[in-house]
Amino acid sequence: EAGVAQSPRYKIIEKRQSVAFWCNPISGHATLYWYQQILGQGPKLLIQFQNNGVVDDSQLPKDRFSAERLKGVDSTLKIQPAKLEDSAVYLCASSLGDFYTDTQYFGPGTRLTVL
Amino acid sequence: TQLLEQSPQFLSIQEGENLTVYCNSSSVFSSLQWYRQEPGEGPVLLVTVVTGGEVKKLKRLTFQFGDARKDSSLHITAAQPGDTGLYLCAVFGGATNKLIFGTGTLLAVQP
Repeated sequence: EAGVAQSPRYKIIEKRQSVAFWCNPISGHATLYWYQQILGQGPKLLIQFQNNGVVDDSQLPKDRFSAERLKGVDSTLKIQPAKLEDSAVYLCASSLGDFYTDTQYFGPGTRLTVL
Repeated sequence: TQLLEQSPQFLSIQEGENLTVYCNSSSVFSSLQWYRQEPGEGPVLLVTVVTGGEVKKLKRLTFQFGDARKDSSLHITAAQPGDTGLYLCAVFGGATNKLIFGTGTLLAVQP
């Protein structure tokens, strides 16, 4: 079974530029998550989708970050404009159902460097 | 203030040594998870502990949930270079029971 796919794997941009990340969850998984992992820290949830709907986006900086999950499958996370402090690994994860204890499967992440 | 504090932050040991990492909090949890994250990869779930005092074993890894369900430990026996990675504890919390990760312990096992 294919895992969670993410692209690109690495991205370097200048501050104030825009960037987008793409995630393809495991087939059939209803719930999709985006996490931000700053170097030396554990991942922090940015947004959780259940099918097309947003379950939790309380920690998403909505003035610059946006995310969508079209048709309940793939998802994109966008940052516009980027700041230096956005340098981090952005992890996508998916889980099969809608119960919170369902196992989350993580993709390899996109490492973003903002100069 | 971090909900979950892990210690030590970094650990570098020789192959064959034993080690223990800790995950501590002042809050009580219904369950706690341990993940391992290898360089360039996402975290992978190792175990979920749900009962106070519970001990689970996964080959050379032993996980224990504290009696009061506020803390947990991970013990590795005879560490191998393949054990190298970032070890993260995590709990479900907040209004939507989101997964909240600890600060992590970065382990390097030298051959």
